[in-house]
Amino acid sequence: ETGVTQSPTHLIKTRGQQVTLRCSSQSGHNTVSWYQQALGQGPQFIFQYYREEENGRGNFPPRFSGLQFPNYSSELNVNALELDDSALYLCASSLVSYSEQFFGPGTRLTVL
Amino acid sequence: KNEVEQSPQNLTAQEGEFITINCSYSVGISALHWLQQHPGGGIVSLFMLSSGKKKHGRLIATINIQEKHSSLHITASHPRDSAVYICAVRGNTGTASKLTFGTGTRLQVTL
Repeated sequence: ETGVTQSPTHLIKTRGQQVTLRCSSQSGHNTVSWYQQALGQGPQFIFQYYREEENGRGNFPPRFSGLQFPNYSSELNVNALELDDSALYLCASSLVSYSEQFFGPGTRLTVL
Repeated sequence: KNEVEQSPQNLTAQEGEFITINCSYSVGISALHWLQQHPGGGIVSLFMLSSGKKKHGRLIATINIQEKHSSLHITASHPRDSAVYICAVRGNTGTASKLTFGTGTRLQVTL
């Protein structure tokens, strides 16, 4: 059974650029949730995708968008990057939206 | 005030000690999660519970729904238990899929 994977591991961008982060869910899981974790803070919920549809969104602006593909892998896109977007981005997959979540290793994004 | 509060924020223990980490929340929940995060960033789910008590190896998690409180206990602590422990709750209204996290308890277990 393959766990949750994320790519890339690290990423450095400059302010104003756009970034795409990728997540492959655990086999059999149709739900992917994305979180942002700033240094020293707990993760913050960005949004969740269930069977290719957005199924809940946290308090993040529209420049944070996502996609889920038929194989249930997912992308997080962030446009017009700001310095405060520097964080660890975590994705988690689950069997259904309310079941236990399994986290990937995260992508550390640095915005200069 | 955060919806999920953890205490203590930092904890240092000697190997073998019994450890308790507390989590209080202010919203109605459908489930509470305890998570472990190592310095590299990866998060491991330890428990998901909605009532009572769960045990896995040296770890025990309890929840009191009426008091909106949960505890994570580690028996016979070991240096490999050193990590950040995070409590997260799933609300029972609005966006059912959303997890709200505490800021974590940083545990250091020394020899």
